[in-house]
Amino acid sequence: GAGVSQTPSNKVTEKGKYVELRCDPISGHTALYWYRQSLGQGPEFLIYFQGTGAADDSGLPNDRFFAVRPEGSVSTLKIQRTERGDSAVYLCASSPTSSTAFSEQFFGPGTRLTVL
Amino acid sequence: GNSVTQMEGPVTLSEEAFLTINCTYTATGYPSLFWYVQYPGEGLQLLLKATKADDKGSNKGFEATYRKETTSFHLEKGSVQVSDSAVYFCARGTGNQFYFGTGTSLTVIP
Repeated sequence: GAGVSQTPSNKVTEKGKYVELRCDPISGHTALYWYRQSLGQGPEFLIYFQGTGAADDSGLPNDRFFAVRPEGSVSTLKIQRTERGDSAVYLCASSPTSSTAFSEQFFGPGTRLTVL
Repeated sequence: GNSVTQMEGPVTLSEEAFLTINCTYTATGYPSLFWYVQYPGEGLQLLLKATKADDKGSNKGFEATYRKETTSFHLEKGSVQVSDSAVYFCARGTGNQFYFGTGTSLTVIP
């Protein structure tokens, strides 16, 4: 079956613009995670969804970042008034359950965002 | 705080050499521990995991043992191959969050 997909694979935008990044999780996976990976760093947790609700958004860096998952499947990460420091690879992962003790996270290929 | 510290790279080894990549963690409670691998041009994928103290995770000849007393989860392989060249990430999961290390790049030369 299909894995986690993310679109676009690359996004170049100008400072101050609005961007949306999309994640299609594995069908049936209830948990969905967004991460940000800067060059030379490990993925940094942003937000976690269980179903349609954001169960934990403590990793979002500021109020310019927002994510939704209205039907409990596809999720969109939205970034307003982009800044050069937002440039990174944004990773999405899904999991059949929310328990990290028993469930593997399956990662998408990421969206590389470049803010000029 | 909660963090994961892993050995800095890059690491370059000859084929059939022994590999160790160190990983230590700080956490409250009893996290689950993971090693993820990222092969060139591919996404992150789970290599192995351990969910409680003294558990040993193993896969593809790699092993790591959950050591609560030293808060460590070092990755080892007895004989590396060229195809093991990749970036390796140690991670711990607590509640709904994963915390990743910075990654260790491994290059295996024939």
